[in-house]
Amino acid sequence: GESVGLHLPTLSVQEGDNSIINCAYSNSASDYFIWYKQESGKGPQFIIDIRSNMDKRQGQRVTVLLNKTVKHLSLQIAATQPGDSAVYFCAENQGSGTYKYIFGTGTRLKVLA
Amino acid sequence: DVKVTQSSRYLVKRTGEKVFLECVQDMDHENMFWYRQDPGLGLRLIYFSYDVKMKEKGDIPEGYSVSREKKERFSLILESASTNQTSMYLCASSFAGFNTEAFFGQGTRLTVV
Repeated sequence: GESVGLHLPTLSVQEGDNSIINCAYSNSASDYFIWYKQESGKGPQFIIDIRSNMDKRQGQRVTVLLNKTVKHLSLQIAATQPGDSAVYFCAENQGSGTYKYIFGTGTRLKVLA
Repeated sequence: DVKVTQSSRYLVKRTGEKVFLECVQDMDHENMFWYRQDPGLGLRLIYFSYDVKMKEKGDIPEGYSVSREKKERFSLILESASTNQTSMYLCASSFAGFNTEAFFGQGTRLTVV
């Protein structure tokens, strides 16, 4: 399959456990953040987003936490399943009113059976 | 389901060739984007378009041009391919405005020899 990145940090999690993937962002002016999932051989897939006026947002089995004080974003996946194995990366917009984003390099999540 | 289709999964081209990468979306999205993805680097924006015949440079436009003659189609052109343009190219589309969910194609892995 396609490799989206060499030497990515890897998180190995037992099936059924919760996963936490972290991301440090760089721009204090960023006001919108997205988490993407990218499976081998596929394009990135939107998982969840959050605006800077929130500190937590929940989706189906996923939660994103935003800590603006330390410029940190995390993605929590509950009851991790084999289908969650992928590379996950965050994106921040480069300030409001822009189409431009800064993308992280990603973390590889491996789900162990 | 939104579909963003890139014309080729794999391409091998020679240095100096003019290369066309095609992208078609079927959701009547106003915005379309071209990114490249390289190991160890996050996605980087090459060009984007927010309307037919409109285009804006992204973060790394040098050596590339784009064409958007129809709303559903966004083409990336490598005027004279070079080996440093060997990369995974990803097309994306989204509805009008900023901070709207982007849907990605499956990617084109281009090798320039």
